[in-house]
Amino acid sequence: EDQVTQSPEALRLQEGESSSLNCSYTVSGLRGLFWYRQDPGKGPEFLFTLYSAGEEKEKERLKATLTKKESFLHITAPKPEDSATYLCAEPQAAGNKLTFGGGTRVLVKP
Amino acid sequence: DVKVTQSSRYLVKRTGEKVFLECVQDMDHENMFWYRQDPGLGLRLIYFSYDVKMKEKGDIPEGYSVSREKKERFSLILESASTNQTSMYLCASSLVPNTEAFFGQGTRLTVV
Repeated sequence: EDQVTQSPEALRLQEGESSSLNCSYTVSGLRGLFWYRQDPGKGPEFLFTLYSAGEEKEKERLKATLTKKESFLHITAPKPEDSATYLCAEPQAAGNKLTFGGGTRVLVKP
Repeated sequence: DVKVTQSSRYLVKRTGEKVFLECVQDMDHENMFWYRQDPGLGLRLIYFSYDVKMKEKGDIPEGYSVSREKKERFSLILESASTNQTSMYLCASSLVPNTEAFFGQGTRLTVV
């Protein structure tokens, strides 16, 4: 069965302290890797799609990268408003379904 | 921008009631999904639909049914609500298979 694993589960950062979140997957034949941000009590907000190893996407202080086995979400010089849960997801081999990781809860303190 | 709208942000229902959760998307997407999200369990797929009147079970379909009579609208039905169905329900849509899904704002359902 397809599996997507995120680490760490939680991350506490000082404002300006850069860090990286990991998303590893076991699905063979990557069909895309998606990153989302979710604020408490709200639906996930789409951030990035990555399709090939070596691909990178950036948005403000966030940069997503992809290898054959895993993806990283780098947060550069984070601000308190970057506090959220970050989810990654990968389409399953059969059907239209996405498999989500458990998420990384990021807290950025001023 | 893609917009996925869920009919309610918060709902409180009694055990045994029939509950309807509605979702509308405005981008002519083929695929629509219903998930529930619970602490420690993450996002779990209940049902999805890849075309009008077509549906497929997800990972946890028991106690739920769905309806898709029009392309833009996907309804989740709790036939007889139970307390273990208290959860955050999320609707999503995607254009075609293997593309990103866009989510609604969520419905927090409490069954008492």
